Amino acid sequence: AQKVTQAQTEISVVEKEDVTLDCVYETRDTTYYLFWYKQPPSGELVFLIRRNSFDEQNEISGRYSWNFQKSTSSFNFTITASQVVDSAVYFCALRGRSSGSARQLTFGSGTQLTVLP
Amino acid sequence: EAGVTQFPSHSVIEKGQTVTLRCDPISGHDNLYWYRRVMGKEIKFLLHFVKESKQDESGMPNNRFLAERTGGTYSTLKVQPAELEDSGVYFCASSQGPWDGAFFGQGTRLTVV
Repeated sequence: AQKVTQAQTEISVVEKEDVTLDCVYETRDTTYYLFWYKQPPSGELVFLIRRNSFDEQNEISGRYSWNFQKSTSSFNFTITASQVVDSAVYFCALRGRSSGSARQLTFGSGTQLTVLP
Repeated sequence: EAGVTQFPSHSVIEKGQTVTLRCDPISGHDNLYWYRRVMGKEIKFLLHFVKESKQDESGMPNNRFLAERTGGTYSTLKVQPAELEDSGVYFCASSQGPWDGAFFGQGTRLTVV
């Protein structure tokens, strides 16, 4: 069975602060993918990143960065110099890739990030 | 390029009625998924199409839910008859390959009263 845990239900920060969203996962698959999605108030889920389990390099995209640590089964997401437009619900998700593994995404419960001006 | 589009964006129906949700995936995406989020809970998988074939429907809650994807293009999800516990947001997603990042639509908020 697969499981994704986002322990932070809600986070509030003041604009320009850095914020890290935690994601811890469980899977028996040796090969898997990890994802982050953003859900702004408009409702759609916006794809942010996909990470292969074999690639533990951290990734940076503008103000966004992701820290993948297989040893602790974590895939944390940091927003640097947060902006009001970053306010959204952020979901971490997992998809296994073993033989017979379902191709469905397993989502965490989401973290509501509020960035105050 | 158009993203995944879902119709309607909101639907309010009475218990016992029928509702049909529609999803238009990104053109050329063979893989189409349905997910839903009921109030306060995680987003849960419902089913997966590859072209017009159901690859995995293990997440469908019961036989009141019927999904189709005729011709491998758009998909519909019918709930008949709707129950109160069916209320939630229904998301559709599509991807080119099965392991690619899936692109989601804005969701359909279904309220059964």
